[in-house]
Amino acid sequence: QKEVEQNSGPLSVPEGAIASLNCTYSDRVSQSFFWYRQYSGKSPELIMSIYSNGDKEDGRFTAQLNKASQYVSLLIRDSQPSDSATYLCAVYSGVGTSYDKVIFGPGTSLSVIP
Amino acid sequence: DAGVTQSPTHLIKTRGQQVTLRCSPKSGHDTVSWYQQALGQGPQFIFQYYEEEERQRGNFPDRFSGHQFPNYSSELNVNALLLGDSALYLCASSYNGQGHQPQHFGDGTRLSIL
Repeated sequence: QKEVEQNSGPLSVPEGAIASLNCTYSDRVSQSFFWYRQYSGKSPELIMSIYSNGDKEDGRFTAQLNKASQYVSLLIRDSQPSDSATYLCAVYSGVGTSYDKVIFGPGTSLSVIP
Repeated sequence: DAGVTQSPTHLIKTRGQQVTLRCSPKSGHDTVSWYQQALGQGPQFIFQYYEEEERQRGNFPDRFSGHQFPNYSSELNVNALLLGDSALYLCASSYNGQGHQPQHFGDGTRLSIL
């Protein structure tokens, strides 16, 4: 059973601080990793995808991937109250043309305190 | 550029009834995946449609069925509704049926079973 785990939270950080969200996955052959943000009562919104080991930056967001440790994280710099949401980690294990399903973690609730 | 659209937005049914939910993918996308999201949980994969065929299925009973039309739109049907089917049903579209492509979600259908 392939699994994706995340800190359930809630995670509270003061405005302007760095929020760190963590995700681990069980399938060693996983290739593609996604972070989604979901506001309460809304649908998930893609923040970032990452496929290679290392860091990927997009504005205030940085995704970090370590396939050897089966670990992916999302850093949010200069956190704003508008960043308060649930963050979903999603993992895809398909290789080449073979298809597998995308597995989501349970999400981490982030609260940014003004 | 039209995003993923789902209908209806809300639905109330009673146990034993049947329901059909609809999804139109984002322009240029040809693959539709359906997810069930219970309150406080991550999305759970139901199945994916690509080239009008069910490509893969999650751990859901046969009461859950679907269809994809030549224009790539899709339907999710649930028969013999149970109280436990109450959830947010999300449709996600992507291109070319490959899970490494990021998925884009619709706003979801909130299904309540009485």
